[in-house]
Amino acid sequence: GENVEQHPSTLSVQEGDSAVIKCTYSDSASNYFPWYKQELGKRPQLIIDIRSNVGEKKDQRIAVTLNKTAKHFSLHITETQPEDSAVYFCAASPYSWGKLQFGAGTQVVVTP
Amino acid sequence: SAVISQKPSRDICQRGTSLTIQCQVDSQVTMMFWYRQQPGQSLTLIATANQGSEATYESGFVIDKFPISRPNLTFSTLTVSNMSPEDSSIYLCSVRPLGQGDTGELFFGEGSRLTVL
Repeated sequence: GENVEQHPSTLSVQEGDSAVIKCTYSDSASNYFPWYKQELGKRPQLIIDIRSNVGEKKDQRIAVTLNKTAKHFSLHITETQPEDSAVYFCAASPYSWGKLQFGAGTQVVVTP
Repeated sequence: SAVISQKPSRDICQRGTSLTIQCQVDSQVTMMFWYRQQPGQSLTLIATANQGSEATYESGFVIDKFPISRPNLTFSTLTVSNMSPEDSSIYLCSVRPLGQGDTGELFFGEGSRLTVL
């Protein structure tokens, strides 16, 4: 089955700086790579996703890049703000309608 | 989108007992999944709840311990059987609504926090 590794486990950044989280996956059949944000005590929510036919996708201050050859994908948050503080999970699946295997999560702390 | 109601939101249980968690969605959904999230940990998939048939379990999870029902397209239950302190966790129902096309987004319930003494 799919195995998703995520790094770093914690990330502390100054407000306004950029944050980068990296994930690798094992199953070459995976084609769908979403990112979820979970604030303390809340449910996980999708923030951005990418499919294997695209190398990069942006949505305002967040972007995701995918390297299928190397089997890794990354989340980039620019101009970080205190409300970006949360746990971020990457995930992978062979198709967008299937089950998701999540990475271990990254605790992002944005300090003013 | 989908509005998901999970019950109970939290419970304290005695060792050896069983507890059933309910997941009710306000619209029909294609896929329903049950995840476990231990404190400070990731989301671990327990099983896919299949409508009208047996659930599909992930490695390490078995039907005798986590029986699942899904009688229709809007409702599912997860039972945690013969509980031990190691079962203390948050259990989350997640769904993918019908008619969502290819968006792929999973919606999560608020979770059921179980503490086993």
